[in-house]
Amino acid sequence: DSGVTQTPKHLITATGQRVTLRCSPRSGDLSVYWYQQSLDQGLQFLIQYYNGEERAKGNILERFSAQQFPDLHSELNLSSLELGDSALYFCASSVEGTGISTEAFFGQGTRLTVV
Amino acid sequence: DAKTTQPPSMDCAEGRAANLPCNHSTISGNEYVYWYRQIHSQGPQYIIHGLKNNETNEMASLIITEDRKSSTLILPHATLRDTAVYYCIVRVVSSYKLIFGSGTRLLVRP
Repeated sequence: DSGVTQTPKHLITATGQRVTLRCSPRSGDLSVYWYQQSLDQGLQFLIQYYNGEERAKGNILERFSAQQFPDLHSELNLSSLELGDSALYFCASSVEGTGISTEAFFGQGTRLTVV
Repeated sequence: DAKTTQPPSMDCAEGRAANLPCNHSTISGNEYVYWYRQIHSQGPQYIIHGLKNNETNEMASLIITEDRKSSTLILPHATLRDTAVYYCIVRVVSSYKLIFGSGTRLLVRP
C-alpha cells in the first residue's frame, strides 16, 4: 500500500459525459501528479500540483482540468469524453524538498472506460 | 529531460541476478537516474535512484558508469514477483515530473 488513495477504482461512462477522479496523497506529501496510461501511449504525464498551485504541465488536453484543494487532495476533471480517453489514470504524490530529489508514490489508479 | 533507451524485453531465471541496462547518453550533470517498475496494471513503484555514485537499497542496486551515459539496475536474486515492466528515467531535480519511456518487460522464469 503506497498510501495514495484513488477513487473510484473503476468508472464506465458514455461519450460526451464528464467525470471527476479523486486522489488523496500520502500524509505530509505536498505534491500531486496525474498520469494517463493507455495501451498505445504508455504512461503520460498530465499535470503536477504543489501545495495547491499548478507546478508543471504535460500533455494534458484542454478538455481535462485538475485542481488541488487546501486539504491537499486533488481532483482530475475530464469532460466531453471520447472513446480515446479510455485509460488508466494514476495519481502520485511526493514530498518536494528544496532541490532534493525525492521519490513519488503512486496510487492504484482509476480505470476509465468510455463507451 | 534526457531520453533513455532500454531493451524492450528480458528474461532471467528465478534466483539469479537480473541486470537491466539503460542508456542515457545525453544526461546532464544535474539529472538523476530513477528506476520504477510496474507490475501488471498496478501503480508504478519506486525502486532506486542515483546521481553519480552507485546506490543500493533493500530492493536493488544501481550501477552508474563513470561518464554517467548508462546505468544498470541489478535485482540480486530475482523472484517470480519481480516480473514487471521496469522504467529507467532521468530527471532534473527542479523538473518535478517523471517522464516514462517504454521500459523493459522483465520475465522471471521458474
